[in-house]
Amino acid sequence: AQTVTQSQPEMSVQEAETVTLSCTYDTSESDYYLFWYKQPPSRQMILVIRQEAYKQQNATENRFSVNFQKAAKSFSLKISDSQLGDAAMYFCAYRSYDYSGGGADGLTFGKGTHLIIQP
Amino acid sequence: GAVVSQHPSWVICKSGTSVKIECRSLDFQATTMFWYRQFPKQSLMLMATSNEGSKATYEQGVEKDKFLINHASLTLSTLTVTSAHPEDSSFYICSARTSGSPGANVLTFGAGSRLTVL
Repeated sequence: AQTVTQSQPEMSVQEAETVTLSCTYDTSESDYYLFWYKQPPSRQMILVIRQEAYKQQNATENRFSVNFQKAAKSFSLKISDSQLGDAAMYFCAYRSYDYSGGGADGLTFGKGTHLIIQP
Repeated sequence: GAVVSQHPSWVICKSGTSVKIECRSLDFQATTMFWYRQFPKQSLMLMATSNEGSKATYEQGVEKDKFLINHASLTLSTLTVTSAHPEDSSFYICSARTSGSPGANVLTFGAGSRLTVL
């Protein structure tokens, strides 16, 4: 079974600054997906960014980027130019690669990091 | 983009009653839907995988007789909490797998349903 570990229960950053959220995972699989989800107070899960394990290039989405280190099984999220609207719980998640297309596995989540943005 | 609607968003019931939560994919067909449970200030835990036209697959430790899942169509999955008790109070979230090439699918989440059992 896969496990996802987020070692930072809470992080705080000044508005406009950069913050990095850590995530490590454990798996014996070679192909998989990694995700960062944001959960604001509304509780709606919002996909921030995703990374395919077979891709060496780190994924980026505007102010969000990841540092994917496959050998180290590390998948950190960097948020640049932090904004007040970025305040939320951030969950790192793992999903096995679906070779058959049958939609087998759900997501395995880390415990989350509560991100606070200081104005 | 893909939208998943979950209803009701909030429900209070008496102990011993049953509650049904619906999860609908509004603009796509979802052959697979997933049900998660989230306790306050905790992570999401996968409860079961719901496949259209077949029985759900439950995660270890989840009582299939307590949490009945039905996925009768490509756009609707339901979770029924039977004989609910206060310990079943939680936030339940569904997600649906969008179509695409094998392995390229992304999960879209509903807004969740908060269940409070008195």
